[in-house]
Amino acid sequence: QVQLQESGPGLVKPSETLSLTCTVSGGSITGYYWNWIRQPPGKGLEWIGYIYYSGSTNYNPSLKSRVTISVDTSKNQFSLKLNSVTAADTAVYYCARETPGHNWFDPWGQGTLVTVSS
Amino acid sequence: DIVMTQSPDSLAVSLGERATINCKSSQSILYSSNNKNYLVWYQQKPGQPPKLLIYWASTRASGVPDRFSGSGSGTDFTLTISSLQAEDVAVYYCQQNYGTPYTFGQGTKLEIK
Repeated sequence: QVQLQESGPGLVKPSETLSLTCTVSGGSITGYYWNWIRQPPGKGLEWIGYIYYSGSTNYNPSLKSRVTISVDTSKNQFSLKLNSVTAADTAVYYCARETPGHNWFDPWGQGTLVTVSS
Repeated sequence: DIVMTQSPDSLAVSLGERATINCKSSQSILYSSNNKNYLVWYQQKPGQPPKLLIYWASTRASGVPDRFSGSGSGTDFTLTISSLQAEDVAVYYCQQNYGTPYTFGQGTKLEIK
């Protein structure tokens, strides 16, 4: 069965760039949308955006000016970059798969906590 | 953006009793072309990612116990747990997947009374 695993630094300084990678195992990245979702500690869920395996993207307008999602099909990975971070970007970041036409997230990675602090 | 509003924010129910969580969208999320409501329910336990429970408002995901059911159409939806079990303690989120940006309700924390 498909599994997703986030990786990247757990601590980022204010004004710098948050970079995370999601590795997909047990299945191909081809044919699906690949999403990033975040959850500030003790709060709700916010959709960041997705990338289709072919490279087309769709971002949340609230973050669009700071977000880039990319895909590397040869490595079965996709990545998130969020620039000019502040403390408000402190959150658990999840990656998740979305099947075309279904539009729900399943499965999800376990999530990785990224703290923005100097 | 479509705003999703859940009620209540928290709920305490006795074991074996019924739990009901409501979700309201700021606009209809019923696609007329296929008559499907683009409403999803997730369950999140502490320290875990959300788990898909129900999609298209009323279809249980694979492996989800039949005590979980979803209902509603248009803008008003309900998640019902018919007989609460201890393992159902969690935060429950609704999400609209009608269009981007995808949006979630604020969550409902379900506890044992």
